[in-house]
Amino acid sequence: EAGVTQSPTHLIKTRGQQATLRCSPISGHTSVYWYQQALGLGLQFLLWYDEGEERNRGNFPPRFSGRQFPNYSSELNVNALELEDSALYLCASSSQQNTEAFFGQGTRLTVV
Amino acid sequence: GENVEQHPSTLSVQEGDSAVIKCTYSDSASNYFPWYKQELGKRPQLIIDIRSNVGEKKDQRIAVTLNKTAKHFSLHITETQPEDSAVYFCAVRESTLGRLYFGRGTQLTVWP
Repeated sequence: EAGVTQSPTHLIKTRGQQATLRCSPISGHTSVYWYQQALGLGLQFLLWYDEGEERNRGNFPPRFSGRQFPNYSSELNVNALELEDSALYLCASSSQQNTEAFFGQGTRLTVV
Repeated sequence: GENVEQHPSTLSVQEGDSAVIKCTYSDSASNYFPWYKQELGKRPQLIIDIRSNVGEKKDQRIAVTLNKTAKHFSLHITETQPEDSAVYFCAVRESTLGRLYFGRGTQLTVWP
């Protein structure tokens, strides 16, 4: 069974551009979480989607947004990129029945 | 929301010694407590978890203990090996929204 997959693995953008990151959860999982991990720091919660709806949002500006599709895959959009948005973006998925959350390999976003 | 504190932030031990990492949480209704290990450049991996109806769980050299009254849980690694070197994150799932909150992480270094 495939795990959580994220694309692209690496993304380089210039300041002011937009970035789109994608996440495919484990089959059967309906919840997708997004986290930002800046170099040397912990996991900062961004967004949580479940059953197609946004359930919770972390302390990030509105230019961080996303959505979840009917097949439960998810997209994270970051508008008006700033240098400090450079980080590893991780998504995790879990099911409603179980509580374990499994992470994807992450997308390394670099803003220059 | 939930408030998760993790200590220590860094921990160095000699190979063969034990390592203990502790997390405290604020919401007494939280019901699920996983631990993740993140090796350099890799995704966080679930290594052990415990639910609120259990006080202790063990898996070979790692164990987790939960004290619901005091609202803290700990990760215990015995007979540490250099490959145990990584960042360890505790997490707490709150019972109301079901969101997963992470501690700030502990950098464990095991010296040969």
